[in-house]
This record gives sequence, structure tokens and C-alpha cells, in this order.
Amino acid sequence: AQSVTQLDSQVPVFEEAPVELRCNYSSSVSVYLFWYVQYPNQGLQLLLKYLSGSTLVKGINGFEAEFNKSQTSFHLRKPSVHISDTAEYFCAVSDKGTGGGADGLTFGKGTHLIIQP
Amino acid sequence: DSGVTQTPKHLITATGQRVTLRCSPRSGDLSVYWYQQSLDQGLQFLIQYYNGEERAKGNILERFSAQQFPDLHSELNLSSLELGDSALYFCASSTGTAYNEQFFGPGTRLTVL
Repeated sequence: AQSVTQLDSQVPVFEEAPVELRCNYSSSVSVYLFWYVQYPNQGLQLLLKYLSGSTLVKGINGFEAEFNKSQTSFHLRKPSVHISDTAEYFCAVSDKGTGGGADGLTFGKGTHLIIQP
Repeated sequence: DSGVTQTPKHLITATGQRVTLRCSPRSGDLSVYWYQQSLDQGLQFLIQYYNGEERAKGNILERFSAQQFPDLHSELNLSSLELGDSALYFCASSTGTAYNEQFFGPGTRLTVL
């Protein structure tokens, strides 16, 4: 079984400041890792994913994340946030072993990113 | 726009009733997933279908069922509804290959009164 912990339920940040949203996971097998964003009253949009290879992954809207296997973490970062980044951010894992997309994603509880002008 | 469509957008019903939520996956995607998002439980995986067959089950209640039709659209049936079933229900689709990158629809907001 897998689990995902997003350590902060809410992160307030000033506009143009950097931000880090933390995600730790627990799994007995290798995993794929994802960050999704949910804007108010919308569905989830994929920000970025780690499948294999380079541990630094770049996504859309200037976000990036770093996979750290020893710390079982996949923290999301952005060097300078904009008011439009206000949203809920979800970290998710999928079991790599089953392949074929045979598992649903296991999500964290989400982090609400609040951008202050 | 992810390419995944869900209907209806909103649904209001009473306890004890039965409802059906519909999802059309992205063109070419064979896998459909259903998720429930509620304030207390967060986002939870319910069930997955691949090319018409059930492939994986998550925290789906026995009162809930789903199916995927030959044209690959899927329906989630919720019966004997309780107040606690009020939530956002998302459908996602993927190609069904190894990387499991899923594309989410806009969701159906179910309110049980």
C-alpha cells in the first residue's frame, strides 16, 4: 500500500517570492510521482511527473520538482510565484510495478497555495 | 481542456435515491478511472476500467458500481444515497500503458439532501 503526506495544508506566499510545497510518500515498491493543480471549481491538471531518469523534473507554468529517493520526497518548487498560481496542489503516486496503468493514483490531502499581493 | 467530459455538472438529489454519472474519455484512451473528492476524505480512487473490463478497485462502496461501454464511455452508479455521499466525482482517462498519466474531467458535484 502507498501513502502520500503533504506536510502543509496551506502555504501563504507573497507575489514574486519563491515557494516550496512539500510531499513525502511511502511505498514498498518503486513509484511514479505526480503533481496536479486544481484551480477553483475546476478539475485537476497535471503539472509535472517523475517516471525515471533525472531527478529534477520541469513542468508547466514554471514549476519544477525534485525526486529524492533516500528521503522519499518529491517537493514542488517555483522561483517566483504569480497571483494566478493561487490554487490547490496535489501530490500523487502510482505503483510502477503493475504497469499498464493498472492502479488508481494515491493522492495527498492537498496544499492550498495562497498568493498575497 | 483535458478532453475528458463529464455530465451532469451538478446533481442534487435526496437520500435513498439512485443517480448515474457519465464520463467520456479522451479520444484514444482505453482506461477510465473514477475518483471521489470530499472535504473529510480528500481525493480517493474508486475504480478503474480498461477497454470494457474492471481492472482495479479502490475504496468503492458496495452501493456504488460502474461500467465501461463498447464506445469506451463509462458510467458510475450510486444507489441508496446518503448525506455523506455528497462530493465531487471525477473521471480520469489514460492510454492504459505503463506511465499511468491520467487526464481529469471537470467533475460532477453531487449534493444529497
